[in-house]
Amino acid sequence: QSVLTQPPSASGSPGQSVTISCTGTSSDVGGYNQVSWYQQHPGKAPKLMIYEVTKRPSGVPDRFAGSKSGNTASLTVSGLQAEDEADYYCSSYVGGENLVFGGGTKVTVL
Amino acid sequence: QVQLQESGPGLVEPSETLSLTCTVSGYSISSGYVWGWIRQPPGKGLEWIGSMSYTGRTFYSPSLESRVIISLDASKNQFSLKMTSVTAADTAVYYCGRVNWIVDYWGQGTLVTVSS
Repeated sequence: QSVLTQPPSASGSPGQSVTISCTGTSSDVGGYNQVSWYQQHPGKAPKLMIYEVTKRPSGVPDRFAGSKSGNTASLTVSGLQAEDEADYYCSSYVGGENLVFGGGTKVTVL
Repeated sequence: QVQLQESGPGLVEPSETLSLTCTVSGYSISSGYVWGWIRQPPGKGLEWIGSMSYTGRTFYSPSLESRVIISLDASKNQFSLKMTSVTAADTAVYYCGRVNWIVDYWGQGTLVTVSS
């Protein structure tokens, strides 16, 4: 059982937006501004998409946006494109250089 | 450009010890950061295993810390994972990564199957 709770699936049509939630506790998501999101295509390693709740690494389109309220973080993908179809995982720092992950959300572009 | 590459046996027998090595290029692991291991059972999500700082401090997932040892070999620019008493539940793709409150660089992953 994952420490962070994500919906197993989400979907949207091309051009639409999809939002994925990531719910934790005050010991992880709510306690640190160190929430990150990873995109994983089948057979590939995860790729960092969002860090420190809202920041995008160089090269990540601004269609990807992160936010947080209390113990729940969210990832919104706007203007969905076919290449956005993937699994998405949230992660939070929990102290002592340890991290925890969510169970993952499969995003389908209809 | 930082690159990481996992290596080790793809098949381990039950009750034995799983041993993997991550070779880092493009950055000296003794210069900074934390170096960690993450795994992903087939068809399932990511699981944090643990990490080691460049100063030698280790940090393990509470659920695995009784069976895991992570070590660094600065002379080879490598870090390693040892997991004892493995079972079929330890079958997974194992990733190594550079940790900085996030995993900003990942290896490509290596599948380890626990089976006799």
